[in-house]
Amino acid sequence: KQEVTQIPAALSVPEGENLVLNCSFTDSAIYNLQWFRQDPGKGLTSLLLIQSSQREQTSGRLNASLDKSSGRSTLYIAASQPGDSATYLCAVTMIKAAGNKLTFGGGTRVLVKP
Amino acid sequence: KAGVTQTPRYLIKTRGQQVTLSCSPISGHRSVSWYQQTPGQGLQFLFEYFSETQRNKGNFPGRFSGRQFSNSRSEMNVSTLELGDSALYLCASSSGLMDNEQFFGPGTRLTVL
Repeated sequence: KQEVTQIPAALSVPEGENLVLNCSFTDSAIYNLQWFRQDPGKGLTSLLLIQSSQREQTSGRLNASLDKSSGRSTLYIAASQPGDSATYLCAVTMIKAAGNKLTFGGGTRVLVKP
Repeated sequence: KAGVTQTPRYLIKTRGQQVTLSCSPISGHRSVSWYQQTPGQGLQFLFEYFSETQRNKGNFPGRFSGRQFSNSRSEMNVSTLELGDSALYLCASSSGLMDNEQFFGPGTRLTVL
């Protein structure tokens, strides 16, 4: 059974510092890994999608890497801003599962202090 | 392109009642998945519909059911509500291909009293 873990559960950094968020998964047979952002009480906003054949994806200040063999992904957010405060979730789509089922980590709650 | 819409946004029900939630996916998307989010359990997969057929199902009791219409809109029904069903219910829309990005709606906040 796939297990997705995000450590730490919460993180606080001063504005301007780079953020490093970790995601690990136990079964490397994945189609892709997706990073999401969730503001309190809101839906999920897709940040980056990395296919299993890719090593990284970049969008603006965000960069996500994927090491499938070790079951790890890292989301880097450069020069953090107070507006980056949110919960960040990673999720994988398994090859063995039928359809588009996402298996989520527990999330990392981020606070960027001005 | 309009995003994923969910209605209603908020619901208050009492134990024993039933509820129907609706999700309209992004135009052209044929897959709709439903998730339950609670503080204790995190995000848990309920089921996925693709071209009006349930393609995958999570580990939830039969009180939770869904369907998809020919226009890809989906509904989720919960019967005989329990206090533990209080949660944020999220739907996700995608093209249906396994390697495609999924987009979430704003969610329906269900409170069971």
